[in-house]
Amino acid sequence: EVQLLESGGGLVQPGGSLRLSCAASGFTFRNYAMSWVRQAPGKGLEWVSIISGSGDTTYSADSVKGRFSISRDNSKNTLYLQMNSLRAEDTATYYCARDRSNWNGDFDFWGQGTLVTVSS
Amino acid sequence: EIVLTQSPATLSLSPGERATLSCRASQSVTSFLAWYQQKPGQAPRLLIYDASNRASGIPARFSGSGSGTDFTLTISSLEPEDFAVYYCQQRSNWPPLTFGGGTKVEIK
Repeated sequence: EVQLLESGGGLVQPGGSLRLSCAASGFTFRNYAMSWVRQAPGKGLEWVSIISGSGDTTYSADSVKGRFSISRDNSKNTLYLQMNSLRAEDTATYYCARDRSNWNGDFDFWGQGTLVTVSS
Repeated sequence: EIVLTQSPATLSLSPGERATLSCRASQSVTSFLAWYQQKPGQAPRLLIYDASNRASGIPARFSGSGSGTDFTLTISSLEPEDFAVYYCQQRSNWPPLTFGGGTKVEIK
């Protein structure tokens, strides 16, 4: 059974940093691209970043470029999102999502999400 | 960036009725469009990929159609568990991957 479990969310001050993790199980992690998708309270879905199965290719949304960094450790079956220079508008539930293949760009499994709140 | 516009924003229907949801793209996405369902407090769930292919385990009452810029998600007969928010998403021209704003299907 595919499982994705996010952790690392919490309350952080504007300008602060946070690292999210997503522990994957039930599939061959290195064979799939992975993404982070966020959802501000009461709002829609926004794609944040994607990383290829090998980890050598990444893309990010313009709204987070230069501040957020996606990475993965295939030996630990774990996806990461390093978030720096956080702003109030980054407040959201962050989901990790498995690509339907390696680099399809749609998502067949999602974690339950971790809430990030940026506030002083 | 490809913008996806979903309509209506809210659809009020009764169980057993047919639901028709629309997603329009600002430029052609050929058939590279997916639909997701999200219930309150839950993660999204993939329903349809590549415009018309049901994801694993998705009931046959869900169907997708369209190509180019105009797409439709149809729920043939609403079950109580189908009342939720539905999002479309394109993977034709990215980055960025983009989602529509969502359609809420509520009980009338």
